[in-house]
Amino acid sequence: QVQLVQSGAEVKKPGSSVRISCRASGSGGSFNNYIITWVRQAPGQGLEWMGRINPMLDAPHYAQKFQGRLTITARASATTGYMDLSGLTSDDTAVYYCARETASSWLRMWGQGTLVIVSS
Amino acid sequence: DIQVTQSPSSLSASVGDRVTITCQASQDISNYLNWFQQKPGKVPKLLINDASNLEEGVPSRFSGSGSGTHFTLTITSLQPEDIATYYCQQYDRLPRSFGQGTKLDI
Repeated sequence: QVQLVQSGAEVKKPGSSVRISCRASGSGGSFNNYIITWVRQAPGQGLEWMGRINPMLDAPHYAQKFQGRLTITARASATTGYMDLSGLTSDDTAVYYCARETASSWLRMWGQGTLVIVSS
Repeated sequence: DIQVTQSPSSLSASVGDRVTITCQASQDISNYLNWFQQKPGKVPKLLINDASNLEEGVPSRFSGSGSGTHFTLTITSLQPEDIATYYCQQYDRLPRSFGQGTKLDI
């Protein structure tokens, strides 16, 4: 049974960058054929779609809001993907989730979430 | 970009009530809509895919309907364990988008 395991909580200064990893563990754990999506949730707020990548095509797609400071990477043969967010502000304080899309684009499998706190 | 508007934003109901949450898309998304349940401090859980298909293990009191731009999530006979925030999400076009969420209280 594959699970998505994310890296631990981070505390960052305003203006800095954060990298969060998302590892597919368990039998059959790799990103082949699966699109990886990143979603975030600010404290007390709703879910916000950030972007996704198709590892087979190495083709990321980002929400306009994050263009220029979000980088999502994942390799088809690898078991770990990454989300890099730069230019952090307090508004980026949130729980960040990776999720794996099924072939039908359903977000059925989620990582446990990673809390990022941006504070001076 | 496709906007997804969910209503109500919060809802208070009693055990045994029938509850309906609606989701309106800004353009036709066919049936490319998911419903998620998120309990406090937990990871979102996919409840319904393709607007009306119940995920395995989801109680039959949950149902989804709709197509095009108007969708509903219905819970018949509300149970205490249904306390959560519910989100719809369209996956017809990129970028994907979520509704604002409906917080359900008893």
